[in-house]
Amino acid sequence: AQSVTQLDSHVSVSEGTPVLLRCNYSSSYSPSLFWYVQHPNKGLQLLLKYTSAATLVKGINGFEAEFKKSETSFHLTKPSAHMSDAAEYFCVVTQNTGNQFYFGTGTSLTVIP
Amino acid sequence: ETGVTQTPRHLVMGMTNKKSLKCEQHLGHNAMYWYKQSAKKPLELMFVYSLEERVENNSVPSRFSPECPNSSHLFLHLHTLQPEDSALYLCASSQGYSGNTPYEQYFGPGTRLTVT
Repeated sequence: AQSVTQLDSHVSVSEGTPVLLRCNYSSSYSPSLFWYVQHPNKGLQLLLKYTSAATLVKGINGFEAEFKKSETSFHLTKPSAHMSDAAEYFCVVTQNTGNQFYFGTGTSLTVIP
Repeated sequence: ETGVTQTPRHLVMGMTNKKSLKCEQHLGHNAMYWYKQSAKKPLELMFVYSLEERVENNSVPSRFSPECPNSSHLFLHLHTLQPEDSALYLCASSQGYSGNTPYEQYFGPGTRLTVT
């Protein structure tokens, strides 16, 4: 069975400081993992994905995530937060067969000026 | 974000009404999805179509009826809804798989549905 746990429902950082959004997953098979961002009144936009290649994945807007199998984690980071990063972030896991994508409950990121 | 469009963006309907949500993808994908997004809950997968055939139906009430006439269009027909059905309904599409590796999903902006 697949599942995703986003450990923080809300994260607040100051502009220019690092961002860390945490995600743990469980999967019976080799997973593929994704991070999506959702700005208010918008659909979800893909930030980055891991599909069993390099464990450190770089995405758009300066975000990156590291797949750690031993810790079953796929945390999202950014060295320096920007005001435009304020949004809801979703971690997603899927196995390499079937059409099921499992979403976390989301982390709301607030960036303080 | 113009790769997947949804209409209408907002919809208010009474419990006895019948309405339809429309989704169109311009990306040449072969799989399409309906999700329900409610406050404080994970996204709920409602339906999946792959090559225009329904492959997943996650125990969704029969008052929601999907239709996929071709690989570019997806509809969600609504009738006799309940107030708890009020939510953001998101459509997504994907290319399917490359070998054993799934392609990512692309999402539309959603339809904000309010049932009164």
